[in-house]
Amino acid sequence: EDQVTQSPEALRLQEGESSSLNCSYTVSGLRGLFWYRQDPGKGPEFLFTLYSAGEEKEKERLKATLTKKESFLHITAPKPEDSATYLCAVQARVGGGNKLTFGTGTQLKVEL
Amino acid sequence: NAGVTQTPKFQVLKTGQSMTLQCAQDMNHEYMSWYRQDPGMGLRLIHYSVGAGITDQGEVPNGYNVSRSTTEDFPLRLLSAAPSQTSVYFCASRLLAGGYNEQFFGPGTRLTVL
Repeated sequence: EDQVTQSPEALRLQEGESSSLNCSYTVSGLRGLFWYRQDPGKGPEFLFTLYSAGEEKEKERLKATLTKKESFLHITAPKPEDSATYLCAVQARVGGGNKLTFGTGTQLKVEL
Repeated sequence: NAGVTQTPKFQVLKTGQSMTLQCAQDMNHEYMSWYRQDPGMGLRLIHYSVGAGITDQGEVPNGYNVSRSTTEDFPLRLLSAAPSQTSVYFCASRLLAGGYNEQFFGPGTRLTVL
């Protein structure tokens, strides 16, 4: 069974204090790993897709990286508007079909 | 484009009542799906569809029914609501062609079953 574990559950940062969120996964052959951002009371918003170990993607202050067992979402010099819950999900290559397995998320709060 | 729209935004039901959660998208996406989000559980797939007339079960399909008569609409029916179905429900859509594409989520429906 595919599993996704995200850590920490919650993270509080000062503005400008860089950090990383972790997503560990077990899957029967990875087809893709996905990062989403979710604001309170809203649906998840797509950030990145990573397909193979060593791949990196960047968007503004966010950088996602992938290894064979985990992915990191690095946040450089965060701002209060980066506060949100960040979700990680995986899709299996074998039997994955169209199903995404989601982690429970990391709730990030960036304070002034 | 309105993207993915869901109605209602909030709903309270009594045990045993039935209702339909509406979902529509205007992006001509073949793939549509329903998820539920519960505290500490992550998003879980209920049902999905890869095109009009084609639906399939996800991870937690019991107690829910779907149909897809058009590309745009994908309603989720609760046949006889139970307190365990209290949750936030999200509809999502994406293109099928060209590998995995960005999945767009609706704003959600918060359902409480008493």
